[in-house]
Amino acid sequence: DGGITQSPKYLFRKEGQNVTLSCEQNLNHDAMYWYRQDPGQGLRLIYYSQIVNDFQKGDIAEGYSVSREKKESFPLTVTSAQKNPTAFYLCASNSGLFGETQYFGPGTRLLVL
Amino acid sequence: AQSVTQLGSHVSVSEGALVLLRCNYSSSVPPYLFWYVQYPNQGLQLLLKYTSAATLVKGINGFEAEFKKSETSFHLTKPSAHMSDAAEYFCAVSELRGNNRLAFGKGNQVVVIP
Repeated sequence: DGGITQSPKYLFRKEGQNVTLSCEQNLNHDAMYWYRQDPGQGLRLIYYSQIVNDFQKGDIAEGYSVSREKKESFPLTVTSAQKNPTAFYLCASNSGLFGETQYFGPGTRLLVL
Repeated sequence: AQSVTQLGSHVSVSEGALVLLRCNYSSSVPPYLFWYVQYPNQGLQLLLKYTSAATLVKGINGFEAEFKKSETSFHLTKPSAHMSDAAEYFCAVSELRGNNRLAFGKGNQVVVIP
């Protein structure tokens, strides 16, 4: 089955630690996206990538980093510079054409110890 | 930049009653508009999408939405609420920056009362 997988489902971060969230898709999509979801705030775009080896900052990129070395993978690192990382993180992908539906993974919940 | 407004973070509806969730957008040109549904601790699932082909759009699970350009609205409705409709609903608009970004509303948490 084609789809988007995110791992782990739950992730715990200690003070000063960097953690990496995985996002993999087998839909042959060019574009991939990372969102952060906080209660009552909707989804906010962290980073997006329209093609391999290229990515752009979204609205809340500070304290996060990404890479796009393979078409199917778009990992997100939450660095120690992100002072309030507790949130639900969602990865999405689509063909990259204007108006195309974004398809979402099941999400990773990040908690701080 | 495009934006979306969803009023009323929590919406309570009786089982069998009409579900109405309001979405207003700002856009200088005809947009693409989306409604997504999210069940607890899950990702978002597309309910329906407006792409200018028809103003009344039918989606999954009995939902539909009507695009009204004069009102810059894309309200979501379902004639009869079911317990399984309890979820969070998001309206989104495609941004016109050539990069296919989506701008999301803050969402409506729907509670269905038996």
